[in-house]
Amino acid sequence: DVKVTQSSRYLVKRTGEKVFLECVQDMDHENMFWYRQDPGLGLRLIYFSYDVKMKEKGDIPEGYSVSREKKERFSLILESASTNQTSMYLCASSSTGGINYGYTFGSGTRLTVV
Amino acid sequence: AQKVTQAQTEISVVEKEDVTLDCVYETRDTTYYLFWYKQPPSGELVFLIRRNSFDEQNEISGRYSWNFQKSTSSFNFTITASQVVDSAVYFCALSGAFGNEKLTFGTGTRLTIIP
Repeated sequence: DVKVTQSSRYLVKRTGEKVFLECVQDMDHENMFWYRQDPGLGLRLIYFSYDVKMKEKGDIPEGYSVSREKKERFSLILESASTNQTSMYLCASSSTGGINYGYTFGSGTRLTVV
Repeated sequence: AQKVTQAQTEISVVEKEDVTLDCVYETRDTTYYLFWYKQPPSGELVFLIRRNSFDEQNEISGRYSWNFQKSTSSFNFTITASQVVDSAVYFCALSGAFGNEKLTFGTGTRLTIIP
C-alpha cells in the first residue's frame, strides 16, 4: 500500500526550540507539500517542492523553512517555535499529471508549542 | 490566484435525509482538477473524487454523487440517505495542472448526521 509517513503523531515543544517535522513517501512522487490545518481555516499551504533541492513558498511560509535533499523525504523546519505555530501539520505527495494524478496525505503531526 | 469557497461551515441532518455540500471555485487556469476529501474524527484525509475541467459529467458512486457545473464554477457533493458514518469534515480542493499542481483547499464543511 502506498504511503506518506510522518515521523510523529503528537509533539510538544517549548517556545524558541528548533523543530523538525519529517515526511517520507514511497511512491516516487515528484511533488511534496506541507500544510497546516486550523479550525475554521481549512488546510493552508506552507511550502511545496517539485523536485529534489527545489522549494517554493506557499500561502503562509513565514516562520518556516523546508529541506528536500532526497526525493522521498521532505522536512519542515520551525527555526524558533512560537505558540502561534501550535497546529496540525499534514504532509502530502503527488505525481505530476497523468491518469493517476492525485494526492496522498500523511496521518498528520499535532504540534503543541508551550 | 486560486480560491475555493465552502460557504456552509456546519450542517446537521437527521439520518436518512439527503444533504448537499456546496463548493465554489475560482481559477484562471483552463485545465484544472477538483477534489473532494473526507476527514473523519480520526483525522486522516480520505480521497473521495477527482474531476478534471474537461469532464463535466456528473458522477455517482453508491450514495455519493457530484455535480460539476463549469458555468457557475461549482462542484457540489450530495450524500443520499445519509448515515451516521458520514459524519465528518468535508473539504473541496482545486489544483492546476502541468507543473502547477499546488492543491488549494476550502475551509471545510462539518457534517453531523443525527441518529
